[in-house]
Amino acid sequence: QVQLQESGPGLVNPSETLSLTCDVSGGSISSGSYYYSWVRQPAGKELEWIGRIYSSGTTNYNPSLKGRATFSVDTSKNQFSLKLYSVTAADTAVYYCARGVKAEHLDNWGQGTLVTVSS
Amino acid sequence: DIVMTQSPDSLAVSLGERATITCKSSQSLLYRYNNKHYLTWYQQKPGQPPRSLIYWASTRESGVPDRFSGSGSGTDFTLTISSLQAEDVAFYYCQQSLSAPYNFGQGTKLEIK
Repeated sequence: QVQLQESGPGLVNPSETLSLTCDVSGGSISSGSYYYSWVRQPAGKELEWIGRIYSSGTTNYNPSLKGRATFSVDTSKNQFSLKLYSVTAADTAVYYCARGVKAEHLDNWGQGTLVTVSS
Repeated sequence: DIVMTQSPDSLAVSLGERATITCKSSQSLLYRYNNKHYLTWYQQKPGQPPRSLIYWASTRESGVPDRFSGSGSGTDFTLTISSLQAEDVAFYYCQQSLSAPYNFGQGTKLEIK
């Protein structure tokens, strides 16, 4: 059973860069059968799809982030990453990483990590 | 972007009764090349990540109890819990995955009456 685990700083200063990594275990991230997504959820609010990356490096981003997000994948470490630039308090949320399958849904999720943007 | 709208925002149902949640998309979610609707239902309990219940609008994820079912086509979809159990108290979200960005609905809070 594949498992995903987010890691990164829980506190980020406004205007700086939020950086998170998702470690994938129990399966190779290089498998072409899957893609890997980031989803976030502000406290008490709905889920927001940030985007996805394939092991090939192909990406899709949510335009709502206005070009502030960048994904990368490191197949040697079996992990993928999110960078979100120029953060504000509105970026405070629980960030989830998840695996997507060819049926285009997210079948495995990390437990989530809370990132607070505050000085 | 495809906008997803769920109703109701919250729902209280007695144990053993039927619960129904609807989800409407601003565009058809039918992918003509395989005749599948790209609509997924997720369940999220407090402090937990979402869990996929139903994908392709009506295909139950492995291990999901058969009291959960999905139906619908085009732009209108329904999640039905045939006999509500206490462990079904949660938020439920629909998500479209036909066209990026893969937007979610605003969620429906399901409680026991």
